Amino acid sequence: DVKVTQSSRYLVKRTGEKVFLECVQDMDHENMFWYRQDPGLGLRLIYFSYDVKMKEKGDIPEGYSVSREKKERFSLILESASTNQTSMYLCASSFDINPNQPQHFGDGTRLSIL
Amino acid sequence: TQLLEQSPQFLSIQEGENLTVYCNSSSVFSSLQWYRQEPGEGPVLLVTVVTGGEVKKLKRLTFQFGDARKDSSLHITAAQPGDTGLYLCAGLYGVLNSGGSNYKLTFGKGTLLTVNP
Repeated sequence: DVKVTQSSRYLVKRTGEKVFLECVQDMDHENMFWYRQDPGLGLRLIYFSYDVKMKEKGDIPEGYSVSREKKERFSLILESASTNQTSMYLCASSFDINPNQPQHFGDGTRLSIL
Repeated sequence: TQLLEQSPQFLSIQEGENLTVYCNSSSVFSSLQWYRQEPGEGPVLLVTVVTGGEVKKLKRLTFQFGDARKDSSLHITAAQPGDTGLYLCAGLYGVLNSGGSNYKLTFGKGTLLTVNP
């Protein structure tokens, strides 16, 4: 089975801090994604990557950056955390060859910015 | 961004009842996926429908893709408490970016289903 592992289930940080969320997948997937999930807004794509060192902006990239130095690892960075970035963050991965392949999700990181 | 509207947003029913969840858009999608998310976990794929008019069954769950590939439905027969969760539809569409063509998923906001024993 594909496993997508997010480094923290719960994280509490302060306004202005630089925050790193880490995600690792073990199935050699080409594509990796970061979403945030908020009540009433659903899942919104922040950034995605289709190869090492490649990245594309999603629908809500402002205030975030990403890093993909190795194929299995995709990091989301909050450069200067703000309270409106309090949310559930979900990482996902998928094969590139067939676009109908499912996205495999981690269990999420619930981030609170105080 | 392509938009997907899911209805109803919330649904609370008794064990044994039938229900239908809808996913609608004005846009055409290459395919449509349905996920279920349980509390404290990430979404898990249930099914992918690709062809307009396609019907897929997964035990008591029946998924249909509209003929025009703009909408989909999920019907659950004789719901059980284990069906409780957030049901998400996600439409796949192609985009052009700096790396060439690629695909993106857009998610509906979900239907939160509670099945009471």
